[in-house]
Amino acid sequence: GQNIDQPTEMTATEGAIVQINCTYQTSGFNGLFWYQQHAGEAPTFLSYNVLDGLEEKGRFSSFLSRSKGYSYLLLKELQMKDSASYLCAVSDSNYQLIWGAGTKLIIKP
Amino acid sequence: ETGVTQTPRHLVMGMTNKKSLKCEQHLGHNAMYWYKQSAKKPLELMFVYNFKEQTENNSVPSRFSPECPNSSHLFLHLHTLQPEDSALYLCASSQDESGSGNEQFFGPGTRLTVL
Repeated sequence: GQNIDQPTEMTATEGAIVQINCTYQTSGFNGLFWYQQHAGEAPTFLSYNVLDGLEEKGRFSSFLSRSKGYSYLLLKELQMKDSASYLCAVSDSNYQLIWGAGTKLIIKP
Repeated sequence: ETGVTQTPRHLVMGMTNKKSLKCEQHLGHNAMYWYKQSAKKPLELMFVYNFKEQTENNSVPSRFSPECPNSSHLFLHLHTLQPEDSALYLCASSQDESGSGNEQFFGPGTRLTVL
């Protein structure tokens, strides 16, 4: 079957760095997405990786290793507004998105 | 209006009621999706429409009935629901159904409670 694993919850301190991991097993691979979802709001797109390596976008970076079925989202200089759930999703061979359950990130002052 | 809009934002209904959820996208996209989001569970894809044609029905019970009259509008008709159907129902759209990097844009969702 297809499976996406990510930690349920993480806690970090304002101003620090946090890494949210995602491992996947899917039938085919056409890219990996990270979305951010604040409580009660719509998921919003953060990043897309289809080739191995690190993609940097401001305070957020996303890494992919296709051979290991592994990705992480790196958040730097954490701000209170970064408190949200972070969803990992993989596009499979049919371009359907397979979603993880999300990681709830709690930022403490 | 911009992006993806959904109405109503909140809905409480009895098991014998019939109601409809509405989604509209103002992005010129060709693909639209219905997802169910339950607490601490992955997003569950329910239906996909591409150029108004249904291309995916993920074994969804017949008490959920989608309708896509055009590429901009998507409905989810509900009847004789069960309490376990209580969840957040998200609508999304993308440029096309397939293609690398096909980012999906989500609406704010309808919080559904079935009594």
